[in-house]
Amino acid sequence: DTAVSQTPKYLVTQMGNDKSIKCEQNLGHDTMYWYKQDSKKFLKIMFSYNNKELIINETVPNRFSPKSPDKAHLNLHINSLELGDSAVYFCASSQGQPGPMNTEAFFGQGTRLTVV
Amino acid sequence: AQTVTQSQPEMSVQEAETVTLSCTYDTSESDYYLFWYKQPPSRQMILVIRQEAYKQQNATENRFSVNFQKAAKSFSLKISDSQLGDAAMYFCAWSGAGTASKLTFGTGTRLQVTL
Repeated sequence: DTAVSQTPKYLVTQMGNDKSIKCEQNLGHDTMYWYKQDSKKFLKIMFSYNNKELIINETVPNRFSPKSPDKAHLNLHINSLELGDSAVYFCASSQGQPGPMNTEAFFGQGTRLTVV
Repeated sequence: AQTVTQSQPEMSVQEAETVTLSCTYDTSESDYYLFWYKQPPSRQMILVIRQEAYKQQNATENRFSVNFQKAAKSFSLKISDSQLGDAAMYFCAWSGAGTASKLTFGTGTRLQVTL
């Protein structure tokens, strides 16, 4: 019974294409995130949504557009894919309310995106 | 801005021995949380241990414990009785105490466990 699930796990696509990665959490959390892990394994926040509202938007190209239809889902759409977009993209969720247990992030299994 | 530094790109430990992974961070906030995440070859990010900055007592989880030095802004992870399954990338991470605060990660330490 997966807590945070992403689809697909692997995605190979050509430059210039548009692709989406889907994420769903069944933990009842209020907050969801997208993180990017580059080829050197460095993890960095891209976006965060709290109750469907965008609250964190790091310096990310406009080609990346998150969408949260409800608080259990956060999808990532990428337009005009470039070689440099190749990375592992992680979805995560947390309770989102202040408190010692609530900032723990639960991660999906990641989506390895390869742009050729 | 918060930064997290892991100065050991790679570490190696023999099975059953103890190893310590170091982490330092920089923040001007007084209330925050620190985490160690493990990423095995499967790619899954797994929470190993969590520390609340307002707690003086170091967190422990079975074979995993931390040495939290708030004044020095240091947060090291000690793995006792190392097992082959401990081999992974380990990431130190910082999070503020506000609503929906993001994680700021270090660059990771790759831990090898040898027989």
